[in-house]
Amino acid sequence: GNSVTQMEGPVTLSEEAFLTINCTYTATGYPSLFWYVQYPGEGLQLLLKATKADDKGSNKGFEATYRKETTSFHLEKGSVQVSDSAVYFCALRRTGGGNKLTFGTGTQLKVEL
Amino acid sequence: DTEVTQTPKHLVMGMTNKKSLKCEQHMGHRAMYWYKQKAKKPPELMFVYSYEKLSINESVPSRFSPECPNSSLLNLHLHALQPEDSALYLCASSQERDRVGEQYFGPGTRLTVT
Repeated sequence: GNSVTQMEGPVTLSEEAFLTINCTYTATGYPSLFWYVQYPGEGLQLLLKATKADDKGSNKGFEATYRKETTSFHLEKGSVQVSDSAVYFCALRRTGGGNKLTFGTGTQLKVEL
Repeated sequence: DTEVTQTPKHLVMGMTNKKSLKCEQHMGHRAMYWYKQKAKKPPELMFVYSYEKLSINESVPSRFSPECPNSSLLNLHLHALQPEDSALYLCASSQERDRVGEQYFGPGTRLTVT
């Protein structure tokens, strides 16, 4: 079946540090991949997406590259801010998946001054 | 407009009450979803509506009853809930024919069952 594995949190960084949150997946075919962010007390917001191998999704300084050879979609940001503190979910939608998303367990990011 | 709205924001109900959650979108999306999210967990899919017809029910107990009165509205009727049903209930929508399957989420209703 389909699955998404994310690194355990919480991840605590100082402001302006480099961020990597690892995400690997298991799926048949060519799934679409997503990163969603959930700020405290809010719903999920789509952060970025990639639909095929070697695609790079980017938004608000975050980026992730769809790597089929390593089945990975790691989230990176060069310089985090306190306002980036949130929970980040990696997700996939498999080909012909009927719009069902498979989520990872989420990684909490805390950015301190 | 890429907004999905949900009402109410918070709801407290007793185990014998009947209440409803409401969700609305005006993006012309033809697929709408209900998710349940417990603290520190990812969302769990409950129901999917496609063109106002129920297409997926993830074996949800009958005390949860979804309804899609038209293409913009989605309701979740609640009756005889249990304390373990306390959670954040999220609504989402997407273009049914969108190959990417991008879903837009609302802010959620935080439900407490007493």
